[in-house]
Amino acid sequence: EPEVTQTPSHQVTQMGQEVILRCVPISNHLYFYWYRQILGQKVEFLVSFYNNEISEKSEIFDDQFSVERPDGSNFTLKIRSTKLEDSAMYFCASRPFIAGEIYNEQFFGPGTRLTVL
Amino acid sequence: AQSVTQLGSHVSVSEGALVLLRCNYSSSVPPYLFWYVQYPNQGLQLLLKYTTGATLVKGINGFEAEFKKSETSFHLTKPSAHMSDAAEYFCAVTLGGYQKVTFGTGTKLQVIP
Repeated sequence: EPEVTQTPSHQVTQMGQEVILRCVPISNHLYFYWYRQILGQKVEFLVSFYNNEISEKSEIFDDQFSVERPDGSNFTLKIRSTKLEDSAMYFCASRPFIAGEIYNEQFFGPGTRLTVL
Repeated sequence: AQSVTQLGSHVSVSEGALVLLRCNYSSSVPPYLFWYVQYPNQGLQLLLKYTTGATLVKGINGFEAEFKKSETSFHLTKPSAHMSDAAEYFCAVTLGGYQKVTFGTGTKLQVIP
């Protein structure tokens, strides 16, 4: 069964460094999302992406964050200058487009645990 | 706008007892509702979902949930808890289409032998 994959599973970085989290969505999906979960807290929406542009972003998604679909398969989240409070689990999700269907399920990846020291 | 409230951040049940995890939602339009389970250090696994149609939905691992519009609730139940059910459970809502998913704060289920 197709699944969303994310690499790396765990990333440790120093405060102020740039990190890129990578996701490979399911191949025929057209909508992509990033969420994050700070340890012990709920999962929060960061950004949605469709047709090579951001559809919606939360207030968490400030100028330090960017997303990109550099090729036909990868979807990346870049944090330019990491802060301690960026330490969290980051989940990628993707969703298909099926004509005539109002709702399509989002499929979540296993997550990347980012630790900022 | 939509939101989800989960009552009880921690729930303990005895093995074999009924599991009831509560979820209430707020939505300006008919919502699509989900329950996800997260085992320690793992990702999110979809347990079940309500989109349209039958209000009692069955999911994996013997879980089910009932959509009650009048009560704006979507409580998760399982008749008999198993040790392997110990995990954190998240209720979530989306307005459909390609909108984001909004999660509740989660309920950690402890199963006592």
